Amino acid sequence: EGQLVESGGDLVQPGGSLRLSCAASGFTFGTHDMHWVRQAAGERLEWVSAISSAGDTYYADSVKTRFTVSRENGKSALYLQLNSLRADDTGVYYCARRSPATYYDLWGQGTVVTVSS
Amino acid sequence: SFELTQDPAVSVALGQTVRITCQGDSLRISYASWYRQKPGQAPEVVLYGRNNRPSGIPDRFSGSFAGDTASLTITGAQAEDEADYYCHSRDISGLYAFGTGTKVTVL
Repeated sequence: EGQLVESGGDLVQPGGSLRLSCAASGFTFGTHDMHWVRQAAGERLEWVSAISSAGDTYYADSVKTRFTVSRENGKSALYLQLNSLRADDTGVYYCARRSPATYYDLWGQGTVVTVSS
Repeated sequence: SFELTQDPAVSVALGQTVRITCQGDSLRISYASWYRQKPGQAPEVVLYGRNNRPSGIPDRFSGSFAGDTASLTITGAQAEDEADYYCHSRDISGLYAFGTGTKVTVL
């Protein structure tokens, strides 16, 4: 059925940058839309970004102009470049696969981003 | 961005029925999907589309829609149903949002 493994989370100072990666395996990565979802400790899930199988990108207002989503289908890899990080970007970042029936049918375990001085 | 509003918390006696609602304008044009999240775990879909359950999700979970409101009903709640539940939808511009979340406590 597949697996998603995120990496790249770290402690970073406000204003800094990070690149998150999501390694996919066990399915045809290039045929799926992929999303990033984040969750601050004790808070709700927040949709962050999406990239379609065709490469169209979408962003939540809170991250637009600061985050960039991309993918390398040949490597079955999804990325999220985080720039101009703020304290409220702190949280667990999940990558998730979008099924053709338009729901998230596969999630990674998450990678932790902490923005603090 | 757009908002999907849920009641913050509900409780249900073991074996009884509980309904969780999700309200938002996007639901007039897009079905909601529902996710269950237990502490320390990634979310898991329990319902999608008009009223579809993925394999492995028991039939005590069901869904309905009316206007701008989607509902998730658990009929005969079990202890393992205690979790946070989130609705999720897409708006006409192609953006997505999760609901504010509902904590379900099984008494």
